[in-house]
Amino acid sequence: SQQGEEDPQALSIQEGENATMNCSYKTSINNLQWYRQNSGRGLVHLILIRSNEREKHSGRLRVTLDTSKKSSSLLITASRAADTASYFCATSNAGGTSYGKLTFGQGTILTVHP
Amino acid sequence: DTAVSQTPKYLVTQMGNDKSIKCEQNLGHDTMYWYKQDSKKFLKIMFSYNNKELIINETVPNRFSPKSPDKAHLNLHINSLELGDSAVYFCASSSVEEGAQYFGPGTRLTVT
Repeated sequence: SQQGEEDPQALSIQEGENATMNCSYKTSINNLQWYRQNSGRGLVHLILIRSNEREKHSGRLRVTLDTSKKSSSLLITASRAADTASYFCATSNAGGTSYGKLTFGQGTILTVHP
Repeated sequence: DTAVSQTPKYLVTQMGNDKSIKCEQNLGHDTMYWYKQDSKKFLKIMFSYNNKELIINETVPNRFSPKSPDKAHLNLHINSLELGDSAVYFCASSSVEEGAQYFGPGTRLTVT
């Protein structure tokens, strides 16, 4: 079954604005990752946050993780037209035989207008 | 270039045929994966291999058979193709230490 649910499904903003995408999940996790997929391309890893971390930054990206609410958010600041893509959260479950398995959300389609 | 590569990029074939997709990574990773992305962009893991050994086998029809000749290669063979197999198939790799997965460019399979 699907682990992650993303919200919103689509987001349209102007260049320079910030974009926030949310992800909720159901079971205990080892880590949560965010990926970007440009149209017709493979997924590109953006950032990984471990279950014992609450916030992580990478350039214009800021990810938060709230394990009590089983949710995460991805903030892209000062967006650019080149940020237009689909963004996916993916969870790696804690322990067991699911080593390395990522469960993806449905994704958020972000459109940044120049 | 260090990367995950897949061939072919596009594959159009008729129902009932058998086809293979090849994947290679030169990142030195020990784990490789196959994912299927459907028309709604939903991405689901199919298989995972660690050092040539199968460690994840999701509920996938046994018409799909992965093969890992060495830890840098993971191929996917599909027998008796069906219309519902039409999708984009992604190969990925990762290392235990890093956790992040690196994806290939995808193979768009169309079954007619």
